[in-house]
Amino acid sequence: DTGVSQDPRHKITKRGQNVTFRCDPISEHNRLYWYRQTLGQGPEFLTYFQNEAQLEKSRLLSDRFSAERPKGSFSTLEIQRTEQGDSAMYLCASSLSDFGYNEQFFGPGTRLTVL
Amino acid sequence: KNQVEQSPQSLIILEGKNCTLQCNYTVSPFSNLRWYKQDTGRGPVSLTIMTFSENTKSNGRYTATLDADTKQSSLHITASQLSDSASYICVVSADPSTSGTYKYIFGTGTRLKVLA
Repeated sequence: DTGVSQDPRHKITKRGQNVTFRCDPISEHNRLYWYRQTLGQGPEFLTYFQNEAQLEKSRLLSDRFSAERPKGSFSTLEIQRTEQGDSAMYLCASSLSDFGYNEQFFGPGTRLTVL
Repeated sequence: KNQVEQSPQSLIILEGKNCTLQCNYTVSPFSNLRWYKQDTGRGPVSLTIMTFSENTKSNGRYTATLDADTKQSSLHITASQLSDSASYICVVSADPSTSGTYKYIFGTGTRLKVLA
């Protein structure tokens, strides 16, 4: 257990539905990251927060995706109008602010299956 | 283009044997390199981190090496155990002081299977 928790661990939904995932980082970590990982691939960066500010978003993050970290603590990732191609593991990680050297601690992930 | 390539894609070894996984990168400017272990269905867990000036780092039976000149790293696993079966991911960070933006470049991983 790294101290980063994600909820739910698994989500099955029908195409077109909206889903929301939650990430609770390690409490003293002010950086929070979201990644997407498909089978047999490494994690792909989606977005990251410094406290409550969303500082960078990947081109992978289409208009159907939105992430928030309203109080600089937990974060949510919402996917609207899900598509089958959204099926993946969504990973959250947190770190101290001096990114680069400080380790990212990953949560267990949320496995999304879109039918 | 910033890239991290790992080889082999997959590897099967017998319990007790040693193995070496490779990572080549083209990330610039280089900040540090990490190796992560990811069990199936779980998030990655850091094994080692090395900066430009470090050329070897050990964590138990795991030893990572870094050659910053050739931009290559390896992860050596000694006396493998069944619990070593996992994906091993190489991650290279770009120096944010010059790039000014987030850069963590992940490899696709090597899937290791240790057989009894």
